[in-house]
Amino acid sequence: EVQLVQSGAEVKKPGESLKISCKGFGYSFASYWIGWVRQMPGKGLEWMGIIYPGDSHTRFSPSFQGQVTISVDKSINTAYLQWGSLKASDTAMYYCARHSTSIPLDSWGQGTLVTVSS
Amino acid sequence: DIQMTQSPSSLSASVGDRVTITCRASQGISNYLAWFQQKPGKAPKSLIYDASTLHGGVPSKFSGSGSGTDFTLTISSLQPEDFATYYCQQYNSYPLTFGGGTKVEIK
Repeated sequence: EVQLVQSGAEVKKPGESLKISCKGFGYSFASYWIGWVRQMPGKGLEWMGIIYPGDSHTRFSPSFQGQVTISVDKSINTAYLQWGSLKASDTAMYYCARHSTSIPLDSWGQGTLVTVSS
Repeated sequence: DIQMTQSPSSLSASVGDRVTITCRASQGISNYLAWFQQKPGKAPKSLIYDASTLHGGVPSKFSGSGSGTDFTLTISSLQPEDFATYYCQQYNSYPLTFGGGTKVEIK
């Protein structure tokens, strides 16, 4: 069974750094893209960016380019989403999802809630 | 970027109703359109890809159609478990973009 398991909820202060993770199980991790999706409180889904674990190639939404870093460690089947300096406006639920060019976002992680507050 | 516009943004319906949700792309996306269902406090669930292909395990009461710029998601007979928010997404070109969502509520 394909599973994506995300790291737990985080509470951070503005200006702090953060790295959240998404670990894949039950499939060839290096062969499928991993996408990240933001959902701010009470709002819709926003596509942030995507990474191909096989070669670490990434694509970003212009809205998130330069604001976050997406990386991967294929030796442990894990993708990461990282912030260098958090803002209150980064408070949201973040989902990872498996993606292929033929079948988009077919399996989702459970989500990681990030709260940024002073 | 390709803009995805869903309508309506919300609707009220009764159990047993037939429900149709529309998604329009700002430019042609062939059939590279997916639909997702999200219930409160849960991760989204993939329903349909390639505009009309159901993911495994998705009941046949869900159907999708369309090509180019105009797409629809239809639920043939609404059941209590179908009350949720539905999103479309285009994957024709980067950045991938979602519609704003349609919340289906109980009348």
